[in-house]
Amino acid sequence: DQQVKQNSPSLSVQEGRISILNCDYTNSMFDYFLWYKKYPAEGPTFLISISSIKDKNEDGRFTVFLNKSAKHLSLHIVPSQPGDSAVYFCAASAGSSGDKLTFGTGTRLAVRP
Amino acid sequence: DARVTQTPRDKVTEMGQEVTMRCQPILGHNTVFWYRQTMMQGLELLAYFRNRAPLDDSGMPKDRFSAEMPDATLATLKIQPSEPRDSAVYFCASGLFRGPYGYTFGSGTRLTVV
Repeated sequence: DQQVKQNSPSLSVQEGRISILNCDYTNSMFDYFLWYKKYPAEGPTFLISISSIKDKNEDGRFTVFLNKSAKHLSLHIVPSQPGDSAVYFCAASAGSSGDKLTFGTGTRLAVRP
Repeated sequence: DARVTQTPRDKVTEMGQEVTMRCQPILGHNTVFWYRQTMMQGLELLAYFRNRAPLDDSGMPKDRFSAEMPDATLATLKIQPSEPRDSAVYFCASGLFRGPYGYTFGSGTRLTVV
């Protein structure tokens, strides 16, 4: 049962343009969401998080949007840079169940120069 | 720059052998996770601890896997006996419960069981 889904396994974007990575979840108890970036042979690196009391959180070039009614979140990267090429994972947790992190299967982003 | 340290970095072992992976969480972090990454399953949660107490290990094959935190500076994941299907990258992560910086992952232990 995949509670966190990233339906696009890959995405290719031109440098300087916007990258939009999507994530859907099924568990209505999830109330905290995170995005991670992963390079080969390294552990995932935390990017940004959002609590369910918000619908947007911004940190530099990265913005996460949360649509609770649609159980959908997205990560926007503007402008995209070649160094952003990596696998991006979204993760979700529910405070009511101990806050364990459940990850999606990842989206591989390639930013073309 | 604080880091989560995992050892060994790589481990090749024969089927049936015991494997122990170690993790040193960042000092002061109260939550520690063990994940396994495979090509097919992505990042699977195996076990996690808060304030050294195990909260959930339902993701682990109980008959062969065990996870412990003997003290605040060490988390261990053991596999006995190991099987070829256990081959994967095992990650440890630590953080503060809902802290502003998420959870910090180590570089992983790449396990190959032959």
